Parts: sequence; C-alpha cells; structure tokens
Amino acid sequence: EADIYQTPRYLVIGTGKKITLECSQTMGHDKMYWYQQDPGMELHLIHYSYGVNSTEKGDLSSESTVSRIRTEHFPLTLESARPSHTSQYLCASIGQGRGGYTFGSGTRLTVV
Amino acid sequence: SQQGEEDPQALSIQEGENATMNCSYKTSINNLQWYRQNSGRGLVHLILIRSNEREKHSGRLRVTLDTSKKSSSLLITASRAADTASYFCATGNQAGTALIFGKGTTLSVSS
Repeated sequence: EADIYQTPRYLVIGTGKKITLECSQTMGHDKMYWYQQDPGMELHLIHYSYGVNSTEKGDLSSESTVSRIRTEHFPLTLESARPSHTSQYLCASIGQGRGGYTFGSGTRLTVV
Repeated sequence: SQQGEEDPQALSIQEGENATMNCSYKTSINNLQWYRQNSGRGLVHLILIRSNEREKHSGRLRVTLDTSKKSSSLLITASRAADTASYFCATGNQAGTALIFGKGTTLSVSS
C-alpha cells in the first residue's frame, strides 16, 4: 500500500493539546489531500495542496491547519485538540497522469 | 455534499459467490473510481472507469458505468474471505479539486 507514510498510527491525547499528524510520500506527487473519516462513514475532504506553498481548505470545515514547505511532506496540525476531533485522518496523494489516489494507512486520533 | 452513494450498505456472502455493489451519483463526471478499505486502514485504488467507457475489467473485478442513469456497479466474482472490506465509489467534487466518496458498502465474505 504505502509509498505514503502517516505517523503516528494511533494517538490518544488530552483536550487542549497541540498535535501534528505527519504525512510523507516518496513518489514526488504534487497533489496531496487530508480526509477525515468517522468509523463506518464516508470520507470528508478537509485540506488539499497542489504543490509547495499551496494549501486550500476542503469541503468540510475543520479547525486544523496544514503546510506544504516540501513536496514530500504535508503535515496537519491541531492547535488545541477537542473530543470532537476524535476521528481517523487519512492522507492521500496523486501524481500527474495517475488514475487513482494513493492513501496512507491513516492516523486514528482519540482526544480525551 | 455527498456525490456518490453506494448500495447496499452491507452485504454478506459465502466464498465463491459473486458480490455486486452499486453506486449512484448526482452530477456529470469525467470518471468514476472504486476503492477498497480494509478495517481501520487507508483506501486502496481498485479501478477507474472514464465517462466514455461502459465496462471495464481488472482480474476478478468488473465495473460498469451508465452515465444516463448516473450509476455504476462493481462486481467481484468468485469472492474470497480476503475480499472482506468496505468498498467506496468516488467522483470529482463540483470544484474539480478532489475526489468525494460515498459511505461505502461493507462486504463480508465467509468461508
């Protein structure tokens, strides 16, 4: 599955903590995405990037922020985690001419 | 807003049987994609069918697309226990910036 890596795989943190979810890909893909998925539910796009220094908010309002300083790296940050942020976060990328997205294995976040 | 919607929500079959999942969408598309997600993992791209194609095969997978009905189906032939997963269809969002996914069909294949 992976040429796209997400860390940590699981994370349990307390309310109010700042966290960064890491996503890196080794394929040189320009386009990268963050999706949020609750168990058994659809994926919701929260952020995307078409290249270095390009980031946009997705269809689902999110209190998270992202950065894209290097092509291979697209971290997502929550400044102050809340229980409502408990979810699975999936990172994906696609290159030029590729048919489908490549997904990482996800980070399952629990905020207590 | 949700573009694709899969049907049924859940499907249970025996090994060796065929599994058919359907996807309906709302707006015009350039292509439609199917993905598989094993429990708690990321999604894996299975197959892409373009709007000018009606049928596509990949191994035990057969995908059809009917743009007049805005629907697609995924057929898995001779199912195996390892096919147990959730299956999602995906199409481009209205802005053309990313894929949007349905809620998926959860397939259980028992031996």
